Amino acid sequence: EVQLVESGGGLVQPGGSLRLSCAASGITFSGYDMHWVRQGTGKGLEWVSSIGPAGETFYAASVKGRFIISRENAKNSIYLQVNSLRAEDTAVYYCAGEFRQKGFAYWGQGTPVTVSS
Amino acid sequence: QSVLTQPPSASATPGQRVSISCSGSSSNIGTKTVNWYQQLPGTAPKLLIYSDNQRPSGVPDRFSGSKSGTSASLAISGLQSEDEADYYCAAWDNSLRVWVFGGGTKVTVL
Repeated sequence: EVQLVESGGGLVQPGGSLRLSCAASGITFSGYDMHWVRQGTGKGLEWVSSIGPAGETFYAASVKGRFIISRENAKNSIYLQVNSLRAEDTAVYYCAGEFRQKGFAYWGQGTPVTVSS
Repeated sequence: QSVLTQPPSASATPGQRVSISCSGSSSNIGTKTVNWYQQLPGTAPKLLIYSDNQRPSGVPDRFSGSKSGTSASLAISGLQSEDEADYYCAAWDNSLRVWVFGGGTKVTVL
């Protein structure tokens, strides 16, 4: 059974930082593109960042320069370092896995991030 | 404002067919494949269609995807009450070098 489990979310003040984690099991992790997608309350899905099997990274314009995605294949995990947080970053952050460009096939349950003073 | 445009809502009675459109541009749908996701209330999204028209294992064949030019569509035939959900299209944008999602369509079973 494939499982993606996110952690690290919480309440943080504007300008603060968090490190989100996503641990995968049940897949050959090193071959997967991994993604972070977020969803504000009552809003649609918004892609945040991706990292390929070889470590290539991509970011949405809204987070570029503030967020850093990384992966650690030995731990079947990806991370999202979120810095300089703003109120508009408040959302549930999902990680998702994609194999050979066949869509975001696996999703975690999400970890909530609230940016508020 | 989403890069991919979807209608905010769609509805039909049980057993009927509902279709959801997703309009993009030459830099995304026009040159890259489209994926569709279903999000039931309070749950994580689920992959419904990938590569324009391919169903992952376990997705009923009531769900089908198609694409023409810079637009794509998701059709649900034989609509069931459990299909009531939000549906999102997504594609890679080759010019922006980002994934883009549609704003989502809420399907209501009347």
